[in-house]
Amino acid sequence: AQSVTQPDIHITVSEGASLELRCNYSYGATPYLFWYVQSPGQGLQLLLKYFSGDTLVQGIKGFEAEFKRSQSSFNLRKPSVHWSDAAEYFCAVGPSSNTGGFKTIFGAGTRLFVKA
Amino acid sequence: DGGITQSPKYLFRKEGQNVTLSCEQNLNHDAMYWYRQDPGQGLRLIYYSQIVNDFQKGDIAEGYSVSREKKESFPLTVTSAQKNPTAFYLCATQGGGTEAFFGQGTRLTVV
Repeated sequence: AQSVTQPDIHITVSEGASLELRCNYSYGATPYLFWYVQSPGQGLQLLLKYFSGDTLVQGIKGFEAEFKRSQSSFNLRKPSVHWSDAAEYFCAVGPSSNTGGFKTIFGAGTRLFVKA
Repeated sequence: DGGITQSPKYLFRKEGQNVTLSCEQNLNHDAMYWYRQDPGQGLRLIYYSQIVNDFQKGDIAEGYSVSREKKESFPLTVTSAQKNPTAFYLCATQGGGTEAFFGQGTRLTVV
């Protein structure tokens, strides 16, 4: 079955420390990959996306993600976390023919806490 | 400004009532979606529409209904058949770039 897995329900990092949020997907072919961020009580905002080409993609707010086909992973990274990065992060796949054409499949999310 | 407007931001429903959540967009996107978000469960797809006057059930359509009479509008009705409607509801659109654009959400509470 098609799925997106974010193994960490929540992560706590110190301000200024580096961050890596994990995402694994299960699909037959290379899907379109996304990371979104959600602040409490708000909608989701796109951080970055990968369709093809260079496997390291840059996004907004200093985030980047690396697509690794051999590991079916698309992990999100940031070298130095700021307190304002505290939010929930969603990895997503699609839409493509593998997801039914118009559906995006979301992971369950990882909540990031930043401590001073 | 271009974007997606959801209203109201907060909505309270009595037992047995139907309520309608509004979603309006001026992005000129064909595809629109409704998601339900519960703590720890991510986003679950309720309904989606690829074009005016057409829509499909998502993964959790029971107890919900939608219409798509205009390209700009995709209202969601939470009916009395939905036994556990308290949740955060998100409307989204999708343009040619395939990424989703989200509204700010409506928090529905049963009182």
